[in-house]
Amino acid sequence: QVQLVQSGAEVKKPGASVKVSCRASGYTFISYYIHWVRQGPGQGLEWMGIINPSGDNTNYAQKFQGRVTMTRDTSTSTVYMELSSLRFEDTAVYYCARGGLRGMTMTYFDYWGQGTLVTVSS
Amino acid sequence: EIVLTQSPATLSLSPGDRATLSCRASQSVGNSLVWYQQKTGQAPRLLIYDASNRATAIPARFSGRGSATDFTLTISSLEPEDFAVYYCQQCNSWPLTFGGGTKVEIK
Repeated sequence: QVQLVQSGAEVKKPGASVKVSCRASGYTFISYYIHWVRQGPGQGLEWMGIINPSGDNTNYAQKFQGRVTMTRDTSTSTVYMELSSLRFEDTAVYYCARGGLRGMTMTYFDYWGQGTLVTVSS
Repeated sequence: EIVLTQSPATLSLSPGDRATLSCRASQSVGNSLVWYQQKTGQAPRLLIYDASNRATAIPARFSGRGSATDFTLTISSLEPEDFAVYYCQQCNSWPLTFGGGTKVEIK
């Protein structure tokens, strides 16, 4: 069965960076794009960007340009999302999600990771 | 950026009631509209894609309709497990965006 398993919760200070991992299993890793979505406390969902596990090309939401980097390791079927220059308002649950259509970028998300809570606190 | 506006923000209903949730887009998204359900402490769950197609294992009481800018998610008869927050999402253009959510709560 398809699974996306994320790394554990993190506590970071303002200005620091955080790197969240998302390990995929149960399907052909390079065939489906992976997206990152975050959700602030009591807030809605916010799309951050997408990575192609096959070619490593990415597309980031303008809001996060310059602060976010998405990478992948095909040997371990893992995608990473690194967010730098953290601010208090970056406190959120970060989700990875699989694009539902094979090889398609703009699509729905059919499988989600369990979420990783990142807390930015001084 | 396409803005999705969901209404109402909260829907107070009883088990067995019919729930009608609305999602309006600031510009046409064709039929590239998706609905998710999210329960407290859980990741979102895909319900409906391409405006009206139920995802795998989603019960028939969930249905979606609409096109262009106006979309509706209907739950024909609420079960206790349906009380949750529902989000719409458009996948027609970058950046992908979500609506603000509708909370369906027990009256």
